[in-house]
Amino acid sequence: GQNIDQPTEMTATEGAIVQINCTYQTSGFNGLFWYQQHAGEAPTFLSYNVLDGLEEKGRFSSFLSRSKGYSYLLLKELQMKDSASYLCAVRDSNYQLIWGAGTKLIIKP
Amino acid sequence: ETGVTQTPRHLVMGMTNKKSLKCEQHLGHNAMYWYKQSAKKPLELMFVYSLEERVENNSVPSRFSPECPNSSHLFLHLHTLQPEDSALYLCASSQSGGAADTQYFGPGTRLTVL
Repeated sequence: GQNIDQPTEMTATEGAIVQINCTYQTSGFNGLFWYQQHAGEAPTFLSYNVLDGLEEKGRFSSFLSRSKGYSYLLLKELQMKDSASYLCAVRDSNYQLIWGAGTKLIIKP
Repeated sequence: ETGVTQTPRHLVMGMTNKKSLKCEQHLGHNAMYWYKQSAKKPLELMFVYSLEERVENNSVPSRFSPECPNSSHLFLHLHTLQPEDSALYLCASSQSGGAADTQYFGPGTRLTVL
């Protein structure tokens, strides 16, 4: 079966750095996505990785290792507004998105 | 910013009611999606329309009926729902065939079935 694993919940301190991991087992691979979802709001697109390596976009970076079936989302200089759920999704060989259950990130002052 | 709108934002209905959810995308995309999001579970893909034709129906119960009259509008018709259908229903759109084919989501309809 296809599976995406990510931690259910993480806590971090304002101003710090946090890394949210995502491991996947899918039928083929055609890209990995990270989305942010604030409570009661739409998931919003953060990043897309299709090749190995690190993609940096401001305070957020996303890393991919296809050989390990592994990605992480790195958030720097955390702000209170970063409190949200972070969703990892992988596009499989049929170009279907397989979603993780999301990681709820709690930022404390 | 989101170019995908959904109405209503909240809906409470009885098991014998009939209601419809509406989604509209203003992004010029050619594919639209319905997802179900339940607490602490992965997003469940329900229906996909590409170029106004349904291309996916993941064994969704017939009490959910989609309609896509054009590339900008998507409906989900609901009838004789069950309490376990209570969830957040998300609509998304994308430009199928693009390099990333990134999906952009609406804010969702929070559905409660009594």
